[in-house]
Amino acid sequence: EVQVVDSGGGLVQPGGSLRLSCAASGFTVSSNYMSWVRLGPGKGLECVSVIYPIGATYYADSVKGRFTISRDNSKNTVFLQMNNLRTEDTAVYYCARANFYAGFPFFDSWGQGALVTVSS
Amino acid sequence: SSELTQDPAVSVALGQTVRITCQGDSLRNFYAWYQQKPGQAPVLVTYGKNNRPSRTPDRFSGSSSGNTAYLTITGAQAEDEADYYCNSRGRSGFVVFGGGTKLTVL
Repeated sequence: EVQVVDSGGGLVQPGGSLRLSCAASGFTVSSNYMSWVRLGPGKGLECVSVIYPIGATYYADSVKGRFTISRDNSKNTVFLQMNNLRTEDTAVYYCARANFYAGFPFFDSWGQGALVTVSS
Repeated sequence: SSELTQDPAVSVALGQTVRITCQGDSLRNFYAWYQQKPGQAPVLVTYGKNNRPSRTPDRFSGSSSGNTAYLTITGAQAEDEADYYCNSRGRSGFVVFGGGTKLTVL
């Protein structure tokens, strides 16, 4: 069964750091496009980062230069290192596997979410 | 503002049919739809030309015309009350999501 499990959320002060983890089972993260999608309070879904099978990465403008996505193939786990956090980064962060249909991306498996609260 | 536009809220009477819309660039001829209930992760409902994961009830169907995508629920049930999001490929990003539609089943 395909499954992803998020962890690592918490309360952090502005300017602080946090690392999220996403443990996958039933498939290999290194062969898939793995993403972090967040849902902020009163906001819609936003894809903030993706790591491609070849190791290339994508970041939304809102997090570029502050967030880093990576993976540990031996642990079949994806990470999101979040530095210099801002109050507007407060959200539930979901790890999601991206799939493609006719070249268009969509997300077919989601973790349960990790709550990140940035507040003083 | 989002590249994909959704009505913020829609309501439907129990057992009736409702269509949720997602308007975007006419060059995007692919949309996926997700259902999200409070406190839960989003769940893929349909993708592409009315493809459904095996767990999606067949009362859900996806379609599109021009620059608008539709998620139709034929015979809405109480458990269908949720937020619904569409997504497509972003103009400059990996993907883009619509702002979401809150569906109320009366």
